[in-house]
Amino acid sequence: EAGVAQSPRYKIIEKRQSVAFWCNPISGHATLYWYQQILGQGPKLLIQFQNNGVVDDSQLPKDRFSAERLKGVDSTLKIQPAKLEDSAVYLCASSSRDSQTSPLHFGNGTRLTVT
Amino acid sequence: QKEVEQNSGPLSVPEGAIASLNCTYSDRGSQSFFWYRQYSGKSPELIMFIYSNGDKEDGRFTAQLNKASQYVSLLIRDSQPSDSATYLCAVRLGGYSTLTFGKGTMLLVSP
Repeated sequence: EAGVAQSPRYKIIEKRQSVAFWCNPISGHATLYWYQQILGQGPKLLIQFQNNGVVDDSQLPKDRFSAERLKGVDSTLKIQPAKLEDSAVYLCASSSRDSQTSPLHFGNGTRLTVT
Repeated sequence: QKEVEQNSGPLSVPEGAIASLNCTYSDRGSQSFFWYRQYSGKSPELIMFIYSNGDKEDGRFTAQLNKASQYVSLLIRDSQPSDSATYLCAVRLGGYSTLTFGKGTMLLVSP
């Protein structure tokens, strides 16, 4: 079974620029998550999709962050404009169904550095 | 606001010892609990999950859950240097709910 695919692995941009991250979940996984992990902290949920609908985006800074999941498969997370504090690893995860015991499977993440 | 608390560590144990990692959570409605391991520069990987009070064992790992005390722990028996990593506790409410992570506890196992 192929894992969660993310690209790019690394990205360096200047503040006020825009950036986009891509995620392809495990085949058949209905639930997709984007997490932000700042160095030394645990992952923080940005947005959760169930198929192509948003379940939870309460912690997404909507003035600069946006995300979409077209056709309930791939997803894109965008930041525009970026701030220095956006420097973090952006983790995409998927699960087979949104039940109590469904674990999240994480991709390798995208490390973003904003200068 | 759902919170998951972990001691950031580092927790240092000698090789062969038992490592005990602890986690408390604030929301009494939490129903399932996950332990993830994260090596430096890598993404989290699932170790095990638990949703019933008591103990659950998987190889050298034992998860313990006490819902009355809102406490979940992970025991690692016969710790190995390869167990050195950050251990993340994650908590989920039932239904369409998110997985909330703690900040993680760094474990260092010395040879």
